[in-house]
Amino acid sequence: DGGITQSPKYLFRKEGQNVTLSCEQNLNHDAMYWYRQDPGQGLRLIYYSQIVNDFQKGDIAEGYSVSREKKESFPLTVTSAQKNPTAFYLCASRRDSGRQETQYFGPGTRLLVL
Amino acid sequence: AQSVTQPDIHITVSEGASLELRCNYSYGATPYLFWYVQSPGQGLQLLLKYFSGDTLVQGIKGFEAEFKRSQSSFNLRKPSVHWSDAAEYFCAVGAVYNKLIFGAGTRLAVHP
Repeated sequence: DGGITQSPKYLFRKEGQNVTLSCEQNLNHDAMYWYRQDPGQGLRLIYYSQIVNDFQKGDIAEGYSVSREKKESFPLTVTSAQKNPTAFYLCASRRDSGRQETQYFGPGTRLLVL
Repeated sequence: AQSVTQPDIHITVSEGASLELRCNYSYGATPYLFWYVQSPGQGLQLLLKYFSGDTLVQGIKGFEAEFKRSQSSFNLRKPSVHWSDAAEYFCAVGAVYNKLIFGAGTRLAVHP
C-alpha cells in the first residue's frame, strides 16, 4: 500500500533537547517537503529536497535541520535553537519538481514541549 | 509578493445547504491552484487542482472550483453539504522552486 508515513504521531521535547521526526515514502517520489502548521497560520515551508543528497531552506528553516541520504526518507531534526517548537509537522512528497505536480501529505507529527 | 488569502476563518452551514469557500491569490505568472481538506489531527487530502484549460474543475467528494483570472480567485463550491464535510479547507498556489503557498485555512462546521 503506497503512501507517506510519519512517526511518531506525538513527540515530547524537553528543554535543550534535539528531536528527530521521521518521514518515509514508498511512492518513488523525487521531491520531499517539511511544513509546520500553527493554528490560524496555514502551513509554512521549513525545508525541501528535490533529489537525494540535496535540500534547500524554506521560509522558516531556523532551528531545524534535515538530511536526504535516501530517496524514500527525509527526517527533520528540531534543534534546541528552535525556541517555539510546539506545532503540527507535516511531511509531503511529489513525483518530480514540476510546478503542476501534486504534493501528497503524510498524517503528521504533533510536537509538544514538556 | 506571492500570497493566498482565505477571507473566512470560520463558516457554519446547515446540512444540505450549499457551500462556497473563498480564495484569492496573488501570483505574477500563470497560477497552479489547489484545494486541500484536513480533518482534525490528520494530514491534508487533495480535493482538486487547476493547471490550465476549463476554468471549472471537478474534484472528489462532490466539490468543484472555478478559476477566475480577472478576480484572482479560485473559490470552492459544493451544492449540498454533508455532516462529514466538516473539516478545515486550505487553498494553495504552486510557486517557483516547487513551493506551495497556503492560505490560512477556513474551518467549516456543519449543523444537522
